[in-house]
Amino acid sequence: TQLLEQSPQFLSIQEGENLTVYCNSSSVFSSLQWYRQEPGEGPVLLVTVVTGGEVKKLKRLTFQFGDARKDSSLHITAAQPGDTGLYLCAAHYGNNRLAFGKGNQVVVIP
Amino acid sequence: KAGVTQTPRYLIKTRGQQVTLSCSPISGHRSVSWYQQTPGQGLQFLFEYFSETQRNKGNFPGRFSGRQFSNSRSEMNVSTLELGDSALYLCASTPRQGAYQETQYFGPGTRLLVL
Repeated sequence: TQLLEQSPQFLSIQEGENLTVYCNSSSVFSSLQWYRQEPGEGPVLLVTVVTGGEVKKLKRLTFQFGDARKDSSLHITAAQPGDTGLYLCAAHYGNNRLAFGKGNQVVVIP
Repeated sequence: KAGVTQTPRYLIKTRGQQVTLSCSPISGHRSVSWYQQTPGQGLQFLFEYFSETQRNKGNFPGRFSGRQFSNSRSEMNVSTLELGDSALYLCASTPRQGAYQETQYFGPGTRLLVL
């Protein structure tokens, strides 16, 4: 059973469009992280959200942590080809392990 | 600072063989974690090493093992390879052990193909 469920698995959009991807769980987390992974590279941390209801912005990326700290969303405004990648959410659980969702593969077409 | 380095980047082995992968963390980082990434299962935690001791272990069989040296460099070993071991193996380093909300810095991974 996957601790973190990400949806949609795959999303293809045109440059300039907006998109939202989701990370959901039935568990409550003290914090949640979002990473982006590009082909041939390891994941790179984008943001950590800690407080329920928290919203963080990173240029055109907006991250929200659910009020109940069980879910999170990532919204990209006016997507660019450089936003293409695998977006992974991750959360710490039991004994300091880090669990990852399977990821949202985003493709932005020029 | 140089990032996390992993060697080799690509590896092809046959079933039954064993393999050793290497990871050099960022200078000054003392914790190294290993992950297996496959399309079907995503990123799964293998183990974490800190100060040459395994501090955490994921749900993988005993064929998967690792170690950490005094300079914080780490190796992982997979014995009696199976086709299902084909994956991208990633290591990540942090300054301290298992700290919540801390940034994990990932290497580019070793792509292992088992034939």
